[in-house]
Amino acid sequence: ETGVTQTPRHLVMGMTNKKSLKCEQHLGHNAMYWYKQSAKKPLELMFVYSLEERVENNSVPSRFSPECPNSSHLFLHLHTLQPEDSALYLCASSPRTEYNEQFFGPGTRLTVL
Amino acid sequence: AQKVTQAQTEISVVEKEDVTLDCVYETRDTTYYLFWYKQPPSGELVFLIRRNSFDEQNEISGRYSWNFQKSTSSFNFTITASQVVDSAVYFCALSEGYGGSQGNLIFGKGTKLSVKP
Repeated sequence: ETGVTQTPRHLVMGMTNKKSLKCEQHLGHNAMYWYKQSAKKPLELMFVYSLEERVENNSVPSRFSPECPNSSHLFLHLHTLQPEDSALYLCASSPRTEYNEQFFGPGTRLTVL
Repeated sequence: AQKVTQAQTEISVVEKEDVTLDCVYETRDTTYYLFWYKQPPSGELVFLIRRNSFDEQNEISGRYSWNFQKSTSSFNFTITASQVVDSAVYFCALSEGYGGSQGNLIFGKGTKLSVKP
């Protein structure tokens, strides 16, 4: 596969469930990102990883927990979510964090019941 | 403070019409980058262009062209002879230089373009 892939593409979970979103990039990039896209807000940056180290955390609630085991993989662990967390979660990667265009995956459409 | 404004929420045109999507940005940095992304119904954002703050030359790529004007803090995007496949949400984004958060792309709210046959 090429580019940025995300699994699952769709996820429905209850507020007490624990689930994880997975992102994988095949571009040899050093930076990876999680974004949240909801209907009423602009794209919101959640987390930034550069060379597997978190460099940005935009005040995201602790019920979202990222993990970056290597430069090709990024996870978003979810637990005790709220209905307002329902959104499209997009993963992106770039060669490095500064100035570069980011390449996005297709997203995971999350619904929290 | 940094901000990207896309005043047009939705635009509807008929195929073969030209259409311009507006983008106005705010930043205190002298070094920054501007981007346009396309998000088709499938959901994946597709990178279209990156422009740095020191290069005000307009760019043309096929039916796409971009007009960057620092004097008005605008980075507008024009599609010539629009096609149905151009239907998507288009996002303008800003990435700041020194002093800005690393990797922080600030997106506008997007403009939904519908091209009808």
